[in-house]
Amino acid sequence: ETGVTQSPTHLIKTRGQQVTLRCSSQSGHNTVSWYQQALGQGPQFIFQYYREEENGRGNFPPRFSGLQFPNYSSELNVNALELDDSALYLCASSSGGVAGNYNEQFFGPGTRLTVL
Amino acid sequence: DAKTTQPNSMESNEEEPVHLPCNHSTISGTDYIHWYRQLPSQGPEYVIHGLTSNVNNRMASLAIAEDRKSSTLILHRATLRDAAVYYCILRDGTSGSRLTFGEGTQLTVNP
Repeated sequence: ETGVTQSPTHLIKTRGQQVTLRCSSQSGHNTVSWYQQALGQGPQFIFQYYREEENGRGNFPPRFSGLQFPNYSSELNVNALELDDSALYLCASSSGGVAGNYNEQFFGPGTRLTVL
Repeated sequence: DAKTTQPNSMESNEEEPVHLPCNHSTISGTDYIHWYRQLPSQGPEYVIHGLTSNVNNRMASLAIAEDRKSSTLILHRATLRDAAVYYCILRDGTSGSRLTFGEGTQLTVNP
């Protein structure tokens, strides 16, 4: 059973550019969530996808968007990058749907994004 | 989401038990108590969760106060590999897979 993988590992962009981060969910998982973790802080929830639909969003502007594909892999897109977007971006997958979901979340190792 | 309060840091010696406290005085009846930990340069990993009764698994034990306003994560014999940030998180049935992380407790394990 393969775990959650993310690519790329590290990425450097300049302010105003756009970035796409990728995540492959653990086999059999139909729910994926994305988190932003600034240095020294806990991860902050961006949004979650269930069966290719966004289903829950944190306090992030619309320039943060995502996709979930039929094979349950996922992308996080960030437009018009700002310096404060520099962070570790984590994705997490789980199974069992959304409502009443207490299932264990499996996290990937993250993508470290630096915006200059 | 109901809020949790944890100490910023704790220290332990290798092979000794560690008790990591968490206060959640505004917990609701449907909130489950979850613990995750984040080792250096890794994503968070699930440790344990419970509702009312104490829980044990291969990684740790979770002791929940009778009034559920606090809980304690117990590592029975700390190893160097247990050095991590430990997060206590409340989850209800309406938040889906969303986890609301606080600052967590940085655990240092001394050899």
